[in-house]
Amino acid sequence: GDSVTQMEGPVTLSEEAFLTINCTYTATGYPSLFWYVQYPGEGLQLLLKATKADDKGSNKGFEATYRKETTSFHLEKGSVQVSDSAVYFCALSLNSGGSNYKLTFGKGTLLTVNP
Amino acid sequence: GAVVSQHPSWVICKSGTSVKIECRSLDFQATTMFWYRQFPKQSLMLMATSNEGSKATYEQGVEKDKFLINHASLTLSTLTVTSAHPEDSSFYICSARKGALSGYTFGSGTRLTVV
Repeated sequence: GDSVTQMEGPVTLSEEAFLTINCTYTATGYPSLFWYVQYPGEGLQLLLKATKADDKGSNKGFEATYRKETTSFHLEKGSVQVSDSAVYFCALSLNSGGSNYKLTFGKGTLLTVNP
Repeated sequence: GAVVSQHPSWVICKSGTSVKIECRSLDFQATTMFWYRQFPKQSLMLMATSNEGSKATYEQGVEKDKFLINHASLTLSTLTVTSAHPEDSSFYICSARKGALSGYTFGSGTRLTVV
């Protein structure tokens, strides 16, 4: 079945450090890929997305490139801020075989950024 | 944008009672909504797909009679946890998609505590 594997946390960084959170996927078709962010006590917010190979999603300084050859969608940010502290979820969506666009999530990675 | 409102944000109930959680799409129509459950420090697990005007599609292992889903209109889906027990305590999140090319918008979640 379809699955998403993302690097386990927690990840702790100092402010202005470089961030990478790895994400790889397994899918039977051609999925759309997403990164969601969840701040403490809140629901999920879409951070960025990519719908086809080689697409780059970007938002708020975060970037991720859809790599079909390595089935990856790693999240990166050049300089993190304390306000980036949250849980980050990689996810995929397929509309095939009756999946009805449902999202499959990775386990989430907790990021803590210290001043 | 696309806004999904979820209510209540938190609820405490006695064991054996039922609790209803509402999910509304405020500025778009959603023929399909999704209900997730999130355990502490874990990922979101899809419980069911709510379809307007028809029965919900439940994921394997989810009790249909315990988690009643009703999608009465294009803007409202409800999840009722019947005869709640402490093990049902969790964070429940709904989501909806505005269109085929749109990302998923999530509600802010409901923290259910059964005592």
